Amino acid sequence: DTEVTQTPKHLVMGMTNKKSLKCEQHMGHRAMYWYKQKAKKPPELMFVYSYEKLSINESVPSRFSPECPNSSLLNLHLHALQPEDSALYLCASSQETGQRLYGYTFGSGTRLTVV
Amino acid sequence: AQSVSQHNHHVILSEAASLELGCNYSYGGTVNLFWYVQYPGQHLQLLLKYFSGDPLVKGIKGFEAEFIKSKFSFNLRKPSVQWSDTAEYFCAVSDMRFGAGTRLTVKP
Repeated sequence: DTEVTQTPKHLVMGMTNKKSLKCEQHMGHRAMYWYKQKAKKPPELMFVYSYEKLSINESVPSRFSPECPNSSLLNLHLHALQPEDSALYLCASSQETGQRLYGYTFGSGTRLTVV
Repeated sequence: AQSVSQHNHHVILSEAASLELGCNYSYGGTVNLFWYVQYPGQHLQLLLKYFSGDPLVKGIKGFEAEFIKSKFSFNLRKPSVQWSDTAEYFCAVSDMRFGAGTRLTVKP
């Protein structure tokens, strides 16, 4: 299995809702990432997990809450989002933190719309 | 910290034209360099990577890139583009951040 699987593919939520994004990989990668991508822009790093521990939080608002229940799973819990949070949320994994020798494997993303 | 810059924001070419997209990096030490492609509506895919050895790196779909240490550059090239190469191209270093991206539009 050489994929990163993200669910759901699309999500529409209201500003008072609570929802979660899920990411799964079975490649034995020990680093997992959340990125946010606006249209025609590069991915912006949000969070980095290394060996299931949060190692980087790029000053992301607390309405985004990451969780890494085990080495294969990464969640992003969403609460009280704003319309400007609408974006494509990408999960990626790599063998170790940083792209180093092999680069990332990206998931297809969750297209989030906040109404 | 490592960083990359891509100066071409939007490139428009006709089919069969040659392509070169610029990427410059800022870090003076050992770097790993990558090019990713994002086709419309699809996820990012790794095109090619450089970490050591031959500075001319060949990737998928006929793309190649040349690492020139003296110029801090890692430009992406393709001798003859196709309409299906229309996409967004991102350069990245081994740090976890990406360049601003270059949108390539190939006209049939």
